[in-house]
Amino acid sequence: AQSVTQLDSQVPVFEEAPVELRCNYSSSVSVYLFWYVQYPNQGLQLLLKYLSGSTLVKGINGFEAEFNKSQTSFHLRKPSVHISDTAEYFCAVTPVSGSARQLTFGSGTQLTVLP
Amino acid sequence: NAGVMQNPRHLVRRRGQEARLRCSPMKGHSHVYWYRQLPEEGLKFMVYLQKENIIDESGMPKERFSAEFPKEGPSILRIQQVVRGDSAAYFCASSPVPGPDTQYFGPGTRLTVL
Repeated sequence: AQSVTQLDSQVPVFEEAPVELRCNYSSSVSVYLFWYVQYPNQGLQLLLKYLSGSTLVKGINGFEAEFNKSQTSFHLRKPSVHISDTAEYFCAVTPVSGSARQLTFGSGTQLTVLP
Repeated sequence: NAGVMQNPRHLVRRRGQEARLRCSPMKGHSHVYWYRQLPEEGLKFMVYLQKENIIDESGMPKERFSAEFPKEGPSILRIQQVVRGDSAAYFCASSPVPGPDTQYFGPGTRLTVL
C-alpha cells in the first residue's frame, strides 16, 4: 500500500514570491508521482507527473517538481506566484506495476496568494 | 472533444433516500474511476470500471454503494439509504487505456445529505 503526506495544509504567500509545497510518500514498490490542482468547485487538473527519466519535472503554469528517491519526496515549486495560483494542490502516487490503477492522494495544501 | 461530464453538479438528499451520480467519460475512453473527497480531505479511490466490468472495487464501502458502467450510457454511482456521512464531493475520472497518467477528471458532484 502507498501513503502520501503533504506536510502543510495551508501556505500563504505574497504575490511574486517563490513557493514550495512539500510532498512525501511511503511505498514498498516503485511509484509514479503526480501533482494536481483544484480550483474552487472544480475538478482536478494535472499539473505535472513523474514517470521516469529526469528527476526534475516541468509542468503547466510555471510549476516544477523534483523527485528525490532517497528522501521519498516530490516537492512542488514555483519561482514567482500569481494571484491566480490560489487553489488547492494535491500530490498523488500510484504503483508502477501490478493491477492497481488508482491514485493515492495526499490531504492537500491550500495555497493562498496574497496581493 | 468534450471533457468528462458529471451530473448533477449538486445533489441534495434526505437521510434514507437514494443518490444516483452519473459520469460520462471523454469520447473514446472506456475506463472510469470514481473517487470521493470528504470535507478537508484528499480524494480517496472507490472503484475502477471498464465497460460492463468492475475491475477493482477495493475502495467501495461494503454496503449501500454500487457502481456500473454499461455498454451504452454513462457510468452510475449509486448510494442507497444515504446517511449524513455520505456528504462529500464525488469525482469521476476517465482514461482511454488503463493507467493513472492518462486519467482526466470531471468537475464532480457535490452530495449533501440533510
